Amino acid sequence: GDSVTQMEGPVTLSEEAFLTINCTYTATGYPSLFWYVQYPGEGLQLLLKATKADDKGSNKGFEATYRKETTSFHLEKGSVQVSDSAVYFCALIFNNAGNMLTFGGGTRLMVKP
Amino acid sequence: KAGVTQTPRYLIKTRGQQVTLSCSPISGHRSVSWYQQTPGQGLQFLFEYFSETQRNKGNFPGRFSGRQFSNSRSEMNVSTLELGDSALYLCASSLALGANTGELFFGEGSRLTVL
Repeated sequence: GDSVTQMEGPVTLSEEAFLTINCTYTATGYPSLFWYVQYPGEGLQLLLKATKADDKGSNKGFEATYRKETTSFHLEKGSVQVSDSAVYFCALIFNNAGNMLTFGGGTRLMVKP
Repeated sequence: KAGVTQTPRYLIKTRGQQVTLSCSPISGHRSVSWYQQTPGQGLQFLFEYFSETQRNKGNFPGRFSGRQFSNSRSEMNVSTLELGDSALYLCASSLALGANTGELFFGEGSRLTVL
């Protein structure tokens, strides 16, 4: 079945460091891909999305590019801040599956000042 | 604009009991989805309702059920609780338009502890 694999955390970085969180997927077909973020004490929030190959999603300085050839959707940010500390979830969905998202296991990011 | 509201936020039950969780979606959102979040299994899809009809269902036993009312509010019920049902239950709403598929707005969740 469809699945999403993320790098295990926690990922600990110093402020202003470069961030990469790896995400790969296994799916039959071409899903839409998402990154959701869960800040401490808050609900999940959509961070960015890409709906087709080579699309780049971006928001709040974060970027991810839909790579069909490597079935990946890695999350990057050039300079992290303490406020970026959260758990990040990669997810996929197919157009005919309503809102049935398949999530990765989540990666906790801790940014130290 | 009010966000997704889930009640209760915390509850403790014992094995064998049943529980009902409530979710009020964002005004105008007609789709409500439910997810279970546990440390071991992560985030897993339970079911989705749209216009009072179940549109999709995840791989959970029949003890897990839900419904949606005409005002789009939704409830989920778990009967004959087991220890493994302890989890954070997340509700999410969306406009359910084609271009917005997958763009969900989540509530803060209902944390269920089964003793």
